Amino acid sequence: EAQVTQNPRYLITVTGKKLTVTCSQNMNHEYMSWYRQDPGLGLRQIYYSMNVEVTDKGDVPEGYKVSRKEKRNFPLILESPSPNQTSLYFCASSQMGERKGGETQYFGPGTRLLVL
Amino acid sequence: GENVEQHPSTLSVQEGDSAVIKCTYSDSASNYFPWYKQELGKRPQLIIDIRSNVGEKKDQRIAVTLNKTAKHFSLHITETQPEDSAVYFCAATNNNDMRFGAGTRLTVKP
Repeated sequence: EAQVTQNPRYLITVTGKKLTVTCSQNMNHEYMSWYRQDPGLGLRQIYYSMNVEVTDKGDVPEGYKVSRKEKRNFPLILESPSPNQTSLYFCASSQMGERKGGETQYFGPGTRLLVL
Repeated sequence: GENVEQHPSTLSVQEGDSAVIKCTYSDSASNYFPWYKQELGKRPQLIIDIRSNVGEKKDQRIAVTLNKTAKHFSLHITETQPEDSAVYFCAATNNNDMRFGAGTRLTVKP
């Protein structure tokens, strides 16, 4: 089954404790992206990647890191989480084709993070 | 960069009525405009999309229109049903990053 998976689905942590949220897709998509969703603000892009070893900042990259060592995986790293990073996080992937980012994005199930 | 505005933020309609959600974008280079539906506790799912070389697209009760000159696009849902109740997001992309509107919470009353 074609899908995007994220782990963990729920996470409670404390300020300053490094954490990683994994994202994996089995559709051989070149493009992967991370979003955070906050009430009234919609989905805001954190980082995106157009291929292996190629990553770029989105709208709200501060406090986050990503890596793209393999095509299928795109982990999101919070080196020193703070309470303002409490949010719902979604990973997404899409094909690239000729239109680069202009393709349908498929979302993972989401990770709800609470930073105390 | 791209900026997407979406209106209204909430919309309540009677079952069977039509619902219209509007979005504007700022980057004339944007070429792909998807609409996502997100039910409570679920992930966003694509319901319809339109590319910049097309003015209108329809899929059963759902249609999207695009006015490139005015830089706005709209979602139209006809004959609404209670299961259409959800949050709807528009988005626009200029090839690399995708920008989303803030969302519209649609409630369809039986």
